[in-house]
Amino acid sequence: GAVVSQHPSRVICKSGTSVKIECRSLDFQATTMFWYRQFPKQSLMLMATSNEGSKATYEQGVEKDKFLINHASLTLSTLTVTSAHPEDSSFYICSAPGTGGNYGYTFGSGTRLTVV
Amino acid sequence: QQQVKQSPQSLIVQKGGISIINCAYENTAFDYFPWYQQFPGKGPALLIAIRPDVSEKKEGRFTISFNKSAKQFSLHIMDSQPGDSATYFCAASRETSYDKVIFGPGTSLSVIP
Repeated sequence: GAVVSQHPSRVICKSGTSVKIECRSLDFQATTMFWYRQFPKQSLMLMATSNEGSKATYEQGVEKDKFLINHASLTLSTLTVTSAHPEDSSFYICSAPGTGGNYGYTFGSGTRLTVV
Repeated sequence: QQQVKQSPQSLIVQKGGISIINCAYENTAFDYFPWYQQFPGKGPALLIAIRPDVSEKKEGRFTISFNKSAKQFSLHIMDSQPGDSATYFCAASRETSYDKVIFGPGTSLSVIP
């Protein structure tokens, strides 16, 4: 089945630095990638939608200059948290729609970001 | 209209009992209703999903009941086991449009021996 590989699984960074999270579709082409954020004991909230070859679409309240999304190819989408602060500490998860006649969505395993 | 409501927020069930989680939606354009199971520190994993052309889907101990007219759907876990203890999210999307998945707020299930 479709697999989305997300790296890193955990990252700790200092305040003010930037962190890049990668999501790769391993056996299918992902023209769209959804990026979610999840705070402890809360649900997944959509941050943005990336489309290969075009600018990402951000949800209301999400700072596009802080959360840079690049969908460089049909198999790679990246989220860069710039000038990270402790309040950016969260669980970030990517997801791609299914392909062909078998829909559904494939989720990455998530990245736990801790900003100290 | 994009919201998915979910209840209860938390649920404690004895081993062998039935766990029931209910969800409701407003947007009639939704055409895909998955349930996800999430363990601490892990990403959500698809448990079971239903599309509006059927009223029930069963996979092993897990059953989705779907009421299109009431815009409600529910997850039933039969013979609940301690290993089922996790957070469950119902969700909805316009799958055929490759649209985003909207998640419910989640239900924390604890199955006690």
